[in-house]
Amino acid sequence: QTVVTQEPSLTVSPGGTVTLTCASSTGAVTSDFYPNWFQQKPGQAPRSLIYNTDNKHSWTPARFSGSLLGDKAALTLSGVQPEDEAEYYCLLYHGGVQQGLFGGGTKLTVL
Amino acid sequence: EVQLVESGGGLVQPGGSLRLSCAASGFTFRSYWMHWVRQAPGKGLVWVARISVDGSATKYADSVKGRFTISRDNARNTLFLQMNSLRAEDTAVYYCVREMYGYAWPIDYWGQGTLVTVSP
Repeated sequence: QTVVTQEPSLTVSPGGTVTLTCASSTGAVTSDFYPNWFQQKPGQAPRSLIYNTDNKHSWTPARFSGSLLGDKAALTLSGVQPEDEAEYYCLLYHGGVQQGLFGGGTKLTVL
Repeated sequence: EVQLVESGGGLVQPGGSLRLSCAASGFTFRSYWMHWVRQAPGKGLVWVARISVDGSATKYADSVKGRFTISRDNARNTLFLQMNSLRAEDTAVYYCVREMYGYAWPIDYWGQGTLVTVSP
């Protein structure tokens, strides 16, 4: 069974930089996995941040960026703001089975 | 303004059925692939199903295959999820989600979700 893995939790200081990663148990994550990244705050629906590895939506703050880092997908926050404290999820498309798989989420604390 | 409004959630007994709806507005619904994503209380997001613009192509997560059916009515701008043989582990908030175009899975808009509780 394929598993998508994210760091369970990370802590960053305001103004700092943090990178969240997303790995697949099938092997290296490439652009063919079309990584998406989402932010979810308590009691709210998720909000889309990044699609197709590194593309931002019109509402995505400039401090968020997506990339491939080694064999993983990555979401980098530069100049972190207190309002960035949230749960972050990645979604990978697995073409062999034509299914999507979310990672378990990363709880980002801004402290 | 893009809006996705889910409805149809509620309490159902194990083995029962429920049909969720998602009313879409603010965009040309028939031009977009759509998904259902769920989230159990206090847990992470789980992809459930995807449907093509005309409903001819569908895909499901293994956990719901054979029990759930995704469909759409483009004339009524509505997405559906028919859920049969429900189990306790299907208890979750179910989100209706839009895909920007039919390749590369670019997800953009989410609904607010509807809660399904499977319990005796």
